[in-house]
Amino acid sequence: GNSVTQMEGPVTLSEEAFLTINCTYTATGYPSLFWYVQYPGEGLQLLLKATKADDKGSNKGFEATYRKETTSFHLEKGSVQVSDSAVYFCALSSTGNQFYFGTGTSLTVIP
Amino acid sequence: DGGITQSPKYLFRKEGQNVTLSCEQNLNHDAMYWYRQDPGQGLRLIYYSQIVNDFQKGDIAEGYSVSREKKESFPLTVTSAQKNPTAFYLCASSTRDRNGSPLHFGNGTRLTVT
Repeated sequence: GNSVTQMEGPVTLSEEAFLTINCTYTATGYPSLFWYVQYPGEGLQLLLKATKADDKGSNKGFEATYRKETTSFHLEKGSVQVSDSAVYFCALSSTGNQFYFGTGTSLTVIP
Repeated sequence: DGGITQSPKYLFRKEGQNVTLSCEQNLNHDAMYWYRQDPGQGLRLIYYSQIVNDFQKGDIAEGYSVSREKKESFPLTVTSAQKNPTAFYLCASSTRDRNGSPLHFGNGTRLTVT
């Protein structure tokens, strides 16, 4: 079956620190992979995506590379800001328009 | 601008009452979804619809009902049979015609039942 496992939180970093949030997946076929971000009291916003192996998604300084050999899609940012504090969700979509989400990782960035 | 509108943002109901959450999209998406989110937890799928007049149960459909009479609208009714209805409810939509199309989310409705 399809599933997503992501790093447990919460994660607390100082401003300008390097961020990695790990995400691994199990899927049949060739899924597309996504990272979403959720700010308090709001819905999820698409942060980046990758649709095939070795694709790199990037947006707002965040990056993630679709690694088929390790079934991973780890989120990275070189220098986090206080405004990056949010909950991050890794997700995959499979055939039939089905989406599967990880449990979310809460990030707090302190000045 | 296109998007998904959920209303109201906050909803309060007494136990035993049914309540309907609104979700409207003007993105011309075929597929629409309802998710439930509890504090500190991920998203759980309640119902989804791939096309007008058709919908499927998700992982936690018990105590909920939906309709899809128009492409733009996918209302969710939380019935009195739902044992723990207090939660944050998220509506989403997606196009069906391209691989890798993401979900687009509304801003959610926070339902409190006392």
